[in-house]
Amino acid sequence: KAGVTQTPRYLIKTRGQQVTLSCSPISGHRSVSWYQQTPGQGLQFLFEYFSETQRNKGNFPGRFSGRQFSNSRSEMNVSTLELGDSALYLCASSLGGPKETQYFGPGTRLLVL
Amino acid sequence: AQRVTQPEKLLSVFKGAPVELKCNYSYSGSPELFWYVQYSRQRLQLLLRHISRESIKGFTADLNKGETSFHLKKPFAQEEDSAMYYCALSVPSGAGSYQLTFGKGTKLSVIP
Repeated sequence: KAGVTQTPRYLIKTRGQQVTLSCSPISGHRSVSWYQQTPGQGLQFLFEYFSETQRNKGNFPGRFSGRQFSNSRSEMNVSTLELGDSALYLCASSLGGPKETQYFGPGTRLLVL
Repeated sequence: AQRVTQPEKLLSVFKGAPVELKCNYSYSGSPELFWYVQYSRQRLQLLLRHISRESIKGFTADLNKGETSFHLKKPFAQEEDSAMYYCALSVPSGAGSYQLTFGKGTKLSVIP
C-alpha cells in the first residue's frame, strides 16, 4: 500500500497570506488527523476528519480550518498567517478507532516570513 | 485534561548498555498508549502499542496503571536505535473520535 502523502513538502509565505496543505491518506483509511510540530510545543493536535466530517478539534484559533473529501483526501487551510505558524504540519491517517495505528505523512514544512 | 510527560529531552547511552525512556501519563480513564519513533530523515512511525504486548526491534513497554507510566525499555542499545521517541496517549473525544496526545519526545543517542 502506498503511504500517506502530503503536498507541498516545503512552503514559504509572508505574514497575512493564507495557505492550503493537502494530505492523501492510505487507501481504505477514513480518518485523517492533522498535527502541528514545533521545537517548543512538540506535536499538537489540530483536528480530525472522518468520512468528510470534522469529529474533533484541538485548541487552535479559527484561522486553522480543514476539510475532507469523499475520497478521504484532506486539506488544511491557515488564513492570515502569523510568524508563529511556522512549523512542520503532519497529517496521519487511520481506520479511525482508538486502538488503531496512525500512519504519518512526511509533513509540510511551512515558513512564514 | 490528559497529559503525557517525557521527562528527558535527551538520553545518551553507550552501545550495548540498557535503555529506558520514561513516559508518564495523566488520564482518569482506561488508557491506550503508544510509542512512536522518528529516525533521521524518516517519517514518524509506530514502534509499539501497549495492547499488543509485543517486542519490536528488541523494545518493550509495560503499562503500569499504579504509577501511570509506560516506560520504553531495551536491554542492549544499538547504534541504529538513535532516534526521536514519542510516547502518545489515545483518548476518546466525543462523536466517536479519538485524540492522540503526544509527549514532547526524547532524543536517544547511542554512542558507539
